[in-house]
Amino acid sequence: DAGITQSPRHKVTETGTPVTLRCHQTENHRYMYWYRQDPGHGLRLIHYSYGVKDTDKGEVSDGYSVSRSKTEDFLLTLESATSSQTSVYFCAISVGDSEPEQFFGPGTRLTVL
Amino acid sequence: DAKTTQPPSMDCAEGRAANLPCNHSTISGNEYVYWYRQIHSQGPQYIIHGLKNNETNEMASLIITEDRKSSTLILPHATLRDTAVYYCIVRAAFYNQGGKLIFGQGTELSVKP
Repeated sequence: DAGITQSPRHKVTETGTPVTLRCHQTENHRYMYWYRQDPGHGLRLIHYSYGVKDTDKGEVSDGYSVSRSKTEDFLLTLESATSSQTSVYFCAISVGDSEPEQFFGPGTRLTVL
Repeated sequence: DAKTTQPPSMDCAEGRAANLPCNHSTISGNEYVYWYRQIHSQGPQYIIHGLKNNETNEMASLIITEDRKSSTLILPHATLRDTAVYYCIVRAAFYNQGGKLIFGQGTELSVKP
């Protein structure tokens, strides 16, 4: 599992509340990613990070912010959760040398009521 | 949008080879073909990747046509545990886009006894 954990694993919240999801890695990899997956769809990239305090947007970044204050943690924040953000969220890290592959965490299932 | 086209579903008999096709007719010279799979609600799992040459590892073989417009993932002796959604992804060289993955719908492979 390349030492990736996500917390919480499940969360139910109400519309309008802030939510923060945490991705933690134990191996000091530089690149980290947040994806979301909705029923019947593949994963879509939200944001990614290429180092401490270095982040960039993915294809579905609206409504999300991220922070990376230390190498091992990549946080995804929904400032004001909406029902459309009900999804399964996966964190990933890139592992390897010249053309690394991504290893994914176990996912966080978020329900916004 | 995903740059690949895959059949939505396939069946395979247990113990037989599973051959999963992928079309990527617009692939450019510095783009790699990656395969991942996702077993029911788990995070995607890296399988194999290649640029031009055929590749083999302990999980699978990847056959890329000479013009690179299509490829086939081969699971040599499929087991019930290989039942999953298989994603074929065309990815730019890592130095170019930081390893971002764009997932399509994938192929749902069902391995039957």
